[in-house]
Amino acid sequence: AAGVIQSPRHLIKEKRETATLKCYPIPRHDTVYWYQQGPGQDPQFLISFYEKMQSDKGSIPDRFSAQQFSDYHSELNMSSLELGDSALYFCASSLLSYEQYFGPGTRLTVT
Amino acid sequence: QQQVKQSPQSLIVQKGGISIINCAYENTAFDYFPWYQQFPGKGPALLIAIRPDVSEKKEGRFTISFNKSAKQFSLHIMDSQPGDSATYFCAAPRGRAAGNKLTFGGGTRVLVKP
Repeated sequence: AAGVIQSPRHLIKEKRETATLKCYPIPRHDTVYWYQQGPGQDPQFLISFYEKMQSDKGSIPDRFSAQQFSDYHSELNMSSLELGDSALYFCASSLLSYEQYFGPGTRLTVT
Repeated sequence: QQQVKQSPQSLIVQKGGISIINCAYENTAFDYFPWYQQFPGKGPALLIAIRPDVSEKKEGRFTISFNKSAKQFSLHIMDSQPGDSATYFCAAPRGRAAGNKLTFGGGTRVLVKP
């Protein structure tokens, strides 16, 4: 079965640079979620979109923005990167409101 | 305020044994309780989920038990195998609307010794 696709899988950036993470949901899924996971921590919710509209918002820094496009893929834009932004970033998608399926993640390293 | 609390933080079990992970929640509006399995460097994988109208759900070697009055639910891994060594997360969604976030319980690192 098709899964959530994330790109790139690994990304190395320097402080103050920008990064764009992409997410392609499971076909026919209409909702996309972004989570950030630090080492040994829970995934922390950042933001979600349903039918291209922002649905829920968590502890997403003002330096980050995201959107969902007409083909339902989503992009997370991160600017003025800080060392503390180094983490795994997961995208999840759902069709039913409860069952969220996670992608393989993007490992972001800020040096 | 942590709305979902998971215990223990780590667990070591012998091959063939039973792994038991517990979660307690505070918000009685929660009505869906999934468990995720995560291997190092991989994304969380939806393992099994339960709604509060049933007290138990079994899928293969994995069973969820739900106690609505105690606001607790647990994951039992029967006949644990080394391949089950992973971090397990309980979670609950904030509500029924599409896009509502999952709140995770903290995670339990399970190690199954051969």
